[in-house]
Amino acid sequence: GAGVSQSPSNKVTEKGKDVELRCDPISGHTALYWYRQSLGQGLEFLIYFQGNSAPDKSGLPSDRFSAERTGGSVSTLTIQRTQQEDSAVYLCASSLFVGFGVQVSPLHFGNGTRLTVT
Amino acid sequence: GIQVEQSPPDLILQEGANSTLRCNFSDSVNNLQWFHQNPWGQLINLFYIPSGTKQNGRLSATTVATERYSLLYISSSQTTDSGVYFCAVGGGGSQGNLIFGKGTKLSVKP
Repeated sequence: GAGVSQSPSNKVTEKGKDVELRCDPISGHTALYWYRQSLGQGLEFLIYFQGNSAPDKSGLPSDRFSAERTGGSVSTLTIQRTQQEDSAVYLCASSLFVGFGVQVSPLHFGNGTRLTVT
Repeated sequence: GIQVEQSPPDLILQEGANSTLRCNFSDSVNNLQWFHQNPWGQLINLFYIPSGTKQNGRLSATTVATERYSLLYISSSQTTDSGVYFCAVGGGGSQGNLIFGKGTKLSVKP
């Protein structure tokens, strides 16, 4: 597709269950970001992938959160043993970098996955 | 890490009015972007502007990197401009992580 695709668009889960959220970035984009947005709040950085470099995991709030990016394309964000405070919209974005930290395209966001933990 | 402050937090305008939104950041950056989040939650990139001035229709942005601030100008505002405007900044080197401010919530009244 032409844009960043996220699935599912909505997810309701019970407290304690694991969930997986998927992101398909724009084809050819080397950088992929995950953010979290709680109701009425700003965007909280979670994790960033750039090419083959080690991901920047500095924003992950606990060890229940993990993410991987396979083949430099699709990414999956996994939340284990979900808690009610995990309820939020999870946003994925992608961008194109060349060289050393040179961003040549702006960030493009998907429509997000709205996660509700009951 | 880099701190990002946006002002004002809330802004109400009458249709046709002009406005200036400000983004201050605490450290040198090599990446600064402005985004608009519409009332349906979609985030749209407005400008990639680590320095200098850019214009796109009724919107323009200026970043003065040496003084660590950026301004977003909206002229002749329309009701469709309503939403939240975010500034996001990134540090130097290979650090591609972008840190977002808390946003300015704009409401344009007809």
